[in-house]
Formats: sequence, structure tokens, C-alpha cells
Amino acid sequence: DTEVTQTPKHLVMGMTNKKSLKCEQHMGHRAMYWYKQKAKKPPELMFVYSYEKLSINESVPSRFSPECPNSSLLNLHLHALQPEDSALYLCASSQDVQVPAQPQHFGDGTRLSIL
Amino acid sequence: AQSVTQLDSQVPVFEEAPVELRCNYSSSVSVYLFWYVQYPNQGLQLLLKYLSGSTLVKGINGFEAEFNKSQTSFHLRKPSVHISDTAEYFCAVSRVSNTGNQFYFGTGTSLTVIP
Repeated sequence: DTEVTQTPKHLVMGMTNKKSLKCEQHMGHRAMYWYKQKAKKPPELMFVYSYEKLSINESVPSRFSPECPNSSLLNLHLHALQPEDSALYLCASSQDVQVPAQPQHFGDGTRLSIL
Repeated sequence: AQSVTQLDSQVPVFEEAPVELRCNYSSSVSVYLFWYVQYPNQGLQLLLKYLSGSTLVKGINGFEAEFNKSQTSFHLRKPSVHISDTAEYFCAVSRVSNTGNQFYFGTGTSLTVIP
């Protein structure tokens, strides 16, 4: 059982839709991450939140908008996505971005398909 | 710059045979090393980690890895594989930069256990 919960597990949306991905953790972690993963590829970092503030944006297009309402929740708002955005979106958390050697704990992901 | 190389993209192995998945890293500073496993339609699960101390690290599901500083390697081994070990395996390096703790993933090795 994963300690990072992501919803929904699957999402199909059109290019004009607006949807949100949700991530929740109750381990008291203060760092949370969004990754994008294509089939048979490693996860690619999108965003990092540290103490509810955005600390890293890896030049992600503005059609992806992250939000961290509190220390346990992380959202990814989606709007006007392109077919190439179809992928598995993974959320992860770790104790603190400033503490070295902390493993990241991953959720099971949301599989997103853009029609 | 950090890089992680997984030399084998696919490794087929017969059930109950031993397996080694190779990982090499490049770094001139201290690193922290991890192996993750990803089963189909799931997120990444931590198998084991090397932070310091003993160079032989034992993980879950009977896996172990050996840190070799002179060869900058962190190969993953299991003496006898099961069908259930079929999955994607990712080696990762972590270090703290001015933006915090970041992970660098290898390209992954797809392990297929043949009955």
C-alpha cells in the first residue's frame, strides 16, 4: 500500500477541458513533487514544492498549473492540454528538500489520456 | 553534473536464476544512491538505498546492492528471481543543490523473468 494517494487513477480529457489531479500524503513530509512519465522512460521532474512554496519549475508549459493548498495536499490543474501530454503523472513526497539522502515516496500515479 | 547510467535496457532471465542490474554514476562529490522498482500500472517503490557505511546494502524482496566508489557503480543483485520480479528498475542519485535535494534517474532496466 502506498502512503501517497493520487486521484483519479485514470483520466481521459479533451484538449479544451479543464481538470485537476490530486495528491495527498500524511507522513508529515514538507517536500512534494510532480513528475511526468512516458512509457518505458524514467520520471521527468516537473515541479517541486517545499513548505508549500514552489521551489522548482522545470520549464513546464503554463497549461500545467500546480497548487499546494496545505502541507498534505498537492494539486495539478490542467487546461488546454495537447495529445503529447498523455502520460503517467506521478506525485512524490520526501521529508525535506534541504535534508540530503531522503528517499522520495511515490504514489501510483494518474494515467492521463488526451483525445 | 550528475548522471546515472543503466547499461542494460532489457534483461531477460529464467526463474530461479541470479540477476544483476548494472548502474554507474558520475559525480565528484558525495552521492546518495537508490534503487526503485516499478511494477506495471504502479508508481515507484523504494527497493534500497545507500547513504553511507557498509557498502553492501540489503533491500526488500531479497534484493541487495553493492556500492563501489572506485568503479562508481551501484549494481543491484538477486540470487534467485521470481516471476513476480518482472518490472522496471530505476537507479537514482540524490544530492543537495542550491535548490534543494534533487533526484537524477537512470533510463531504467526492464527485467523479464521467464518461467
